[in-house]
Amino acid sequence: NAGVTQTPKFRVLKTGQSMTLLCAQDMNHEYMYWYRQDPGMGLRLIHYSVGEGTTAKGEVPDGYNVSRLKKQNFLLGLESAAPSQTSVYFCAVGGIYSNQPQHFGDGTRLSIL
Amino acid sequence: DAKTTQPPSMDCAEGRAANLPCNHSTISGNEYVYWYRQIHSQGPQYIIHGLKNNETNEMASLIITEDRKSSTLILPHATLRDTAVYYCIVRDNQGGKLIFGQGTELSVKP
Repeated sequence: NAGVTQTPKFRVLKTGQSMTLLCAQDMNHEYMYWYRQDPGMGLRLIHYSVGEGTTAKGEVPDGYNVSRLKKQNFLLGLESAAPSQTSVYFCAVGGIYSNQPQHFGDGTRLSIL
Repeated sequence: DAKTTQPPSMDCAEGRAANLPCNHSTISGNEYVYWYRQIHSQGPQYIIHGLKNNETNEMASLIITEDRKSSTLILPHATLRDTAVYYCIVRDNQGGKLIFGQGTELSVKP
């Protein structure tokens, strides 16, 4: 998945700790997205951004915050991690037109103990 | 909620064509149908998309019915490496969001 880089790839947290996941793109796309995927389920949209300085809520935004200070970066924050946030997190980027596909990163596997 | 329905699982013999169906009866006139696949727990991989015409690329073909209420993804010569979960998605025009359903788990068998 060249062009979309997620860091870190793995992380284990304790309940109540905070952390930030970084998504960086070199594709110059306007739109960026954060999804989570729980075992046996499809991806669910957490937050997304349609441009630098903008963010919007997706299906499951509670417990997360995001920021898009630079066009190429989209940050996902967990202020006080909970076991229910144990999941695989995927970032995606896409163009502004409906016929432009989204491209996904390799994911961040996060465990909250 | 996802605007598509797919069978939960399908099998296909190696070397044969895999035909994956999808229903999207509430699709709007300007919404695209996208197909992605996910191998193990990797990031979803884009396969193909279409609006109303049939489409073909190096990976697959997409057949969309004339009324646009359903479509079929065709992998012409399935290999073991095509074993994956395949997602059919109607892309939201507001912010380009992809709403994932459960997908179809395709097993390609020798």
